[in-house]
Amino acid sequence: EVQLVQSGAEVKKPGESLKISCKGSGYSFTSYWIGWVRQMPGKGLEWMGIIYPGDSDTRYSPSFQGQVTISADKSISTAYLQWSSLKASDTAMYYCARPDDYGDYLVYWGQGTLVTVSS
Amino acid sequence: DIQMTQSPSSLSASVGDRVTITCRASQGISNYLAWYQQKPGKVPKLLIYAASTLQSGVPSRFSGSGSGTDFTLTISSLQPEDVATYYCQKYNSAPCTFGGGTKVEIK
Repeated sequence: EVQLVQSGAEVKKPGESLKISCKGSGYSFTSYWIGWVRQMPGKGLEWMGIIYPGDSDTRYSPSFQGQVTISADKSISTAYLQWSSLKASDTAMYYCARPDDYGDYLVYWGQGTLVTVSS
Repeated sequence: DIQMTQSPSSLSASVGDRVTITCRASQGISNYLAWYQQKPGKVPKLLIYAASTLQSGVPSRFSGSGSGTDFTLTISSLQPEDVATYYCQKYNSAPCTFGGGTKVEIK
């Protein structure tokens, strides 16, 4: 069974750094892209970017390029989303998700990680 | 980058009604279009991919159509459990942008 398990909720102050994780299991981690999706409170879904753990090829949405870093450690089947300096506007739920064998639509989703940035 | 525009942003309909949601791409995306359902407080769920292919386990009252720039999601007979926000997403190439969402409520 394919599973994506994300790290727990975080409460941070503006200016702090953060790295959240998404551990894949039940499939070949290096063979599928993993994407990150943001959902700000009461708002819609925003596609942030995607990484192919096999070779670390990464694509970002222009809206998030330079604002976050997506990475992966294939030795432990884990993808990451990180910030070097958080802002209050980074407060959101963040989901990781994986496409299917036949296309880049997102079939499997993590449970979400709530990030709260507040002074 | 290609923009995805959904309409309406919200709707209210009675149980049993036929509901149609529209998604428009700013450029042609062939049939690389998916629809998701997100119930309040829950993780999004894939409903339809390739514009019209129903994901396994999704009730047959859901259907999708369209190609190129104009797409629709139809619920043939709205049920109480369909209360949710629905999103379209293009996935032909990065960035795989979502539409703004359509909130569906029961009248």
